[in-house]
Amino acid sequence: AQSVAQPEDQVNVAEGNPLTVKCTYSVSGNPYLFWYVQYPNRGLQFLLKYITGDNLVKGSYGFEAEFNKSQTSFHLKKPSALVSDSALYFCAVRPAGAPGTYKYIFGTGTRLKVLA
Amino acid sequence: NAGVTQTPKFRVLKTGQSMTLLCAQDMNHEYMYWYRQDPGMGLRLIHYSVGEGTTAKGEVPDGYNVSRLKKQNFLLGLESAAPSQTSVYFCASRSTGDTGNTIYFGEGSWLTVV
Repeated sequence: AQSVAQPEDQVNVAEGNPLTVKCTYSVSGNPYLFWYVQYPNRGLQFLLKYITGDNLVKGSYGFEAEFNKSQTSFHLKKPSALVSDSALYFCAVRPAGAPGTYKYIFGTGTRLKVLA
Repeated sequence: NAGVTQTPKFRVLKTGQSMTLLCAQDMNHEYMYWYRQDPGMGLRLIHYSVGEGTTAKGEVPDGYNVSRLKKQNFLLGLESAAPSQTSVYFCASRSTGDTGNTIYFGEGSWLTVV
């Protein structure tokens, strides 16, 4: 079965330190990969995506993610965390090809807490 | 610059009552989705639509119905609400083609069934 895993329910990091939020996936073909962020009582906001090309993609608010095909991972990173980065982060995968191209698979979310 | 708009934002229902959640998008997107978000379970797809007049079941369709009579609107109905349907509901949309890979979400609708 196709799936997305975010192995950490919560990640704590000190302000100014680098952060990593992990995501691994299990889908067939070459998937499209996404990161979304959700602030309290808000909808999900798009951060970045990998479709093809350079394995390191840059997104909003200084975030970046690295696609690793051999490890089937798409970890979210930021060189220096801010308290305002504290939120719930979702990894999502859109399996390539048809059928099923209409459906996106979301991870269960990782809560990032940046400590001042 | 509305994007995806959901109404209502908050609602409390009694068991057995019915209601409809409305989603409207102004981006001329073909695909629209309804998800529910529950603690520890991430987002689960309820129903989706690939175009006006078409709908399809997602992972957790039971107890819900949908309609897409107009391209810009996607309605989610609960005919007889149950406490298990207490959740946060998100509507989302995207366009077709390579530029349409990104899903855009509404702000959510918080539903409590008592």
